[in-house]
Amino acid sequence: EAGVTQFPSHSVIEKGQTVTLRCDPISGHDNLYWYRRVMGKEIKFLLHFVKESKQDESGMPNNRFLAERTGGTYSTLKVQPAELEDSGVYFCASSLGRGYTDTQYFGPGTRLTVL
Amino acid sequence: KNEVEQSPQNLTAQEGEFITINCSYSVGISALHWLQQHPGGGIVSLFMLSSGKKKHGRLIATINIQEKHSSLHITASHPRDSAVYICAVPSGSARQLTFGSGTQLTVLP
Repeated sequence: EAGVTQFPSHSVIEKGQTVTLRCDPISGHDNLYWYRRVMGKEIKFLLHFVKESKQDESGMPNNRFLAERTGGTYSTLKVQPAELEDSGVYFCASSLGRGYTDTQYFGPGTRLTVL
Repeated sequence: KNEVEQSPQNLTAQEGEFITINCSYSVGISALHWLQQHPGGGIVSLFMLSSGKKKHGRLIATINIQEKHSSLHITASHPRDSAVYICAVPSGSARQLTFGSGTQLTVLP
């Protein structure tokens, strides 16, 4: 069974440009999470989808970030326009359920560098 | 103060040593996850604990829900155990994970 995949693995862009990150969850996993780690700090929650619906986007830093999950399969996270402080590693995770004991399976992450 | 605190932040050990990483938390209710992140970045779930103790190979994880504290132990450590170990607690309506800052473990041959 394929795991969670993310594309691209690395992205280097200039301030003001747009970048779109993609996450393909494990097939059948309704729950999809986006997290990010910036500047050596702890990983932080961004948002959560159940199928195609955003359930919680309390961690999204500002309106330059837009996440979608059309059709309830893969998800995209767009940053427009990118700022220097957006640099970091963006992780996607998926899970079958959203109970306290459900395992979240992580993708390899996308390392974003904004110059 | 972080909601999930890990200690130590960095740990260097000699091969064969017994290793303990600690995690205390003030959020969440009834479960805790231990994760491993290798150089190259991928995150792997090691354990999900809701009570007591779990063992997988040379890794042992314990949790005390009342004291909101968990420990990860590695017996007979090996250089391939070198990685960042992260504890995380599910909380919120989405059961999103709140992460500790991680412990960078280096095991020297």
